[in-house]
Amino acid sequence: KQEVTQIPAALSVPEGENLVLNCSFTDSAIYNLQWFRQDPGKGLTSLLLIQSSQREQTSGRLNASLDKSSGRSTLYIAASQPGDSATYLCAVSLLHAGNNRKLIWGLGTSLAVNP
Amino acid sequence: EPEVTQTPSHQVTQMGQEVILRCVPISNHLYFYWYRQILGQKVEFLVSFYNNEISEKSEIFDDQFSVERPDGSNFTLKIRSTKLEDSAMYFCASSESHGSNQPQHFGDGTRLSIL
Repeated sequence: KQEVTQIPAALSVPEGENLVLNCSFTDSAIYNLQWFRQDPGKGLTSLLLIQSSQREQTSGRLNASLDKSSGRSTLYIAASQPGDSATYLCAVSLLHAGNNRKLIWGLGTSLAVNP
Repeated sequence: EPEVTQTPSHQVTQMGQEVILRCVPISNHLYFYWYRQILGQKVEFLVSFYNNEISEKSEIFDDQFSVERPDGSNFTLKIRSTKLEDSAMYFCASSESHGSNQPQHFGDGTRLSIL
């Protein structure tokens, strides 16, 4: 059964720091991996999607990497800003799932960027 | 940019009452999902829907739950007789296809509070 874990659970950094959020999954047979942002009491915003055949994806100050064989993904945030403060969630879909691409989620990393 | 919309944003209901959560997926999307997030817990998959039928449902999605796509635009989740433990944030998601490069797009969620 696929399990997704995110470390650390919470992170507090001063503005301007580069930081890394970690996601690990137990079964390497994934179809893709998505990183999401969730603001308190709000919805889920897709940040990056990495297909299982890819090693990394970039969007602005965000870079996500994927090492499928070791069951790990990292989200790198460059030059963090107070507006980056949110919970970051990692989710994977399974490879052998037919018409169902349900996402299996980590608990998230709660990030606070202090001015 | 097209988005998934969910109504209502907050629903308060007495235990035992029926509730219907509504979603309008992105118009050209074909795959639809409901997830829920109990406060402080992981996001959990409830059900996936394609071609007017359920593709997969989780153990949570028991006989009290049903989904419907009554017309070309709405996708609803009904809980027949709500329980206290149904209190959660419910998210609707849609995707255009099942390609590995296709992200799931989420609505802002409906916060369901059962009294």
